[in-house]
Amino acid sequence: DSGVTQTPKHLITATGQRVTLRCSPRSGDLSVYWYQQSLDQGLQFLIQYYNGEERAKGNILERFSAQQFPDLHSELNLSSLELGDSALYFCASSEQTGTRGLLSPLHFGNGTRLTVT
Amino acid sequence: QQQVKQSPQSLIVQKGGISIINCAYENTAFDYFPWYQQFPGKGPALLIAIRPDVSEKKEGRFTISFNKSAKQFSLHIMDSQPGDSATYFCAASARPGGGADGLTFGKGTHLIIQP
Repeated sequence: DSGVTQTPKHLITATGQRVTLRCSPRSGDLSVYWYQQSLDQGLQFLIQYYNGEERAKGNILERFSAQQFPDLHSELNLSSLELGDSALYFCASSEQTGTRGLLSPLHFGNGTRLTVT
Repeated sequence: QQQVKQSPQSLIVQKGGISIINCAYENTAFDYFPWYQQFPGKGPALLIAIRPDVSEKKEGRFTISFNKSAKQFSLHIMDSQPGDSATYFCAASARPGGGADGLTFGKGTHLIIQP
């Protein structure tokens, strides 16, 4: 068990709808990352938050947004959903000390499987 | 543009054999190269990682070989076991802190170890 909790495990919704995915990081981890995993694209980095602030942005669509709350949990909001948004969405957390030379491994949750019909 | 290319896509190895998965990268600023292992229904889990100041790192049956001049690195699994059957991802990071920010992943290798 990685200590990262993601809810819900499965989500089925229709095109055009909006959903919210939730992530609780490992105790003590300040950084939260969101990844999208699809069969053809592999694991794509979406966005990272560190202690409540956006730290890095990857291939995240404008229809998607995220935030990290004071208790460090994070939510990924997906709106105007399209069929192509069907994928596994993973949250990961790390200590993220930010000090050069220190490695902060990512600890992944078990993902939320989103199906858009 | 795919920054980390992983091969093969799938691999079948007999029990006791050596599994080899290769990755190549383009961004010379990458300075952290982890490998992740993913079982069905689970998230990826860190297996082993290397920095470019060494050419090899070994942890148990798992070894990373790193060739900085060729911009390539590979994972070797010695004495492969059926329990090693999983999807393996190589990754790379160019963040200044050498941490795991914004890891760029390869597309994965589906490894099957036949008993």
